[in-house]
Amino acid sequence: AQSVTQPDIHITVSEGASLELRCNYSYGATPYLFWYVQSPGQGLQLLLKYFSGDTLVQGIKGFEAEFKRSQSSFNLRKPSVHWSDAAEYFCAVGAGQAGTALIFGKGTTLSVSS
Amino acid sequence: DAMVIQNPRYQVTQFGKPVTLSCSQTLNHNVMYWYQQKSSQAPKLLFHYYDKDFNNEADTPDNFQSRRPNTSFCFLDIRSPGLGDAAMYLCATSPERGSLGQYFGPGTRLTVT
Repeated sequence: AQSVTQPDIHITVSEGASLELRCNYSYGATPYLFWYVQSPGQGLQLLLKYFSGDTLVQGIKGFEAEFKRSQSSFNLRKPSVHWSDAAEYFCAVGAGQAGTALIFGKGTTLSVSS
Repeated sequence: DAMVIQNPRYQVTQFGKPVTLSCSQTLNHNVMYWYQQKSSQAPKLLFHYYDKDFNNEADTPDNFQSRRPNTSFCFLDIRSPGLGDAAMYLCATSPERGSLGQYFGPGTRLTVT
């Protein structure tokens, strides 16, 4: 069965420091992979997505993610974190019919310290 | 701006009293989804519409129903809310099934008293 694991429940990063959020997936075929961000009380915003091609994908707000098939990973990175990046981050894999169903990880809460 | 709109943002209902949550979109997307997100958990897909074709997830309780009268609107009906149905309900859309990612509304937080 498809699944997504985000090993880190909560991460604290100093403002200006680099960030890496981990995501591992289990999926039989080539996956559709996504990162979403959710601010408190808000819906989810799509940060970036991977379907095929270049394994390093660029997203909004200065985020990027790298697909590594050998490690079944799709880690999210940002070179310099801003206080406004504090939020919940969800990794998801598109499953089911043409990737219709999004299977989400449990999320990682990012706190940014000054 | 094209967007996904959910009304109301906060809804309080009584145990067992039917409630309807609303979602509208100006993106003209073919697919609309409803997710349930309980506190500190990941969103869980309840069902989706591909145009007028309704697709229910296998483990979605019968208590949850949905209607899509036209391309722009989709409703989530909870026939007899229980305390365990208190959650954030997220509506999302996508142009076609799967591949392009989904665009989420701000959600409706449902409280059951």
